Amino acid sequence: EAQVTQNPRYLITVTGKKLTVTCSQNMNHEYMSWYRQDPGLGLRQIYYSMNVEVTDKGDVPEGYKVSRKEKRNFPLILESPSPNQTSLYFCASSPAGSLDQPQHFGDGTRLSIL
Amino acid sequence: ILNVEQSPQSLHVQEGDSTNFTCSFPSSNFYALHWYRWETAKSPEALFVMTLNGDEKKKGRISATLNTKEGYSYLYIKGSQPEDSATYLCAFNNAGGTSYGKLTFGQGTILTVHP
Repeated sequence: EAQVTQNPRYLITVTGKKLTVTCSQNMNHEYMSWYRQDPGLGLRQIYYSMNVEVTDKGDVPEGYKVSRKEKRNFPLILESPSPNQTSLYFCASSPAGSLDQPQHFGDGTRLSIL
Repeated sequence: ILNVEQSPQSLHVQEGDSTNFTCSFPSSNFYALHWYRWETAKSPEALFVMTLNGDEKKKGRISATLNTKEGYSYLYIKGSQPEDSATYLCAFNNAGGTSYGKLTFGQGTILTVHP
């Protein structure tokens, strides 16, 4: 089944403890992206990757890192999480290296930083 | 950060009503406009991606139009059903400069269809 898989789905952790949210897609998609969703603010793009080894900042990259060493994986790293990073996170992918194709979203990861 | 506005923020309609909502975006350097449907406790699902001025797309009872010159897109739902209740998101991609891969979402329109 074609899908975007995020792990973990839920995580409660404490300020300053490094964490990684994994994202993997099995559709051979070029483009991958991370978003956070906060009440009243909609989806905001954190980082995106047009292809392997190519990553760029979205609108809210502060406090996050990403890497794209393989086409299928695009992990989101919080080196020193803070409470303002408590949010619902989505990973997405799309076929082309451009945005004239729809995004396929993962099921989301709910992070709580205490 | 580009400004993508959706209106109204929320909408309540009766089953069988037809409805529409708006997405406004910058009219310069347009590349693509996306529409997604997002049900509670699920992930967003793509409805349409539109790239050409004057584009009209249809999927069942849902259709969308695009005006890139004035910077707006309309989403129409004909004969709303309770299962259409969801948040409808639009997202804009700008072709200019270093923003090539950025996708900017509006805040969404929350649609509730009452039986």
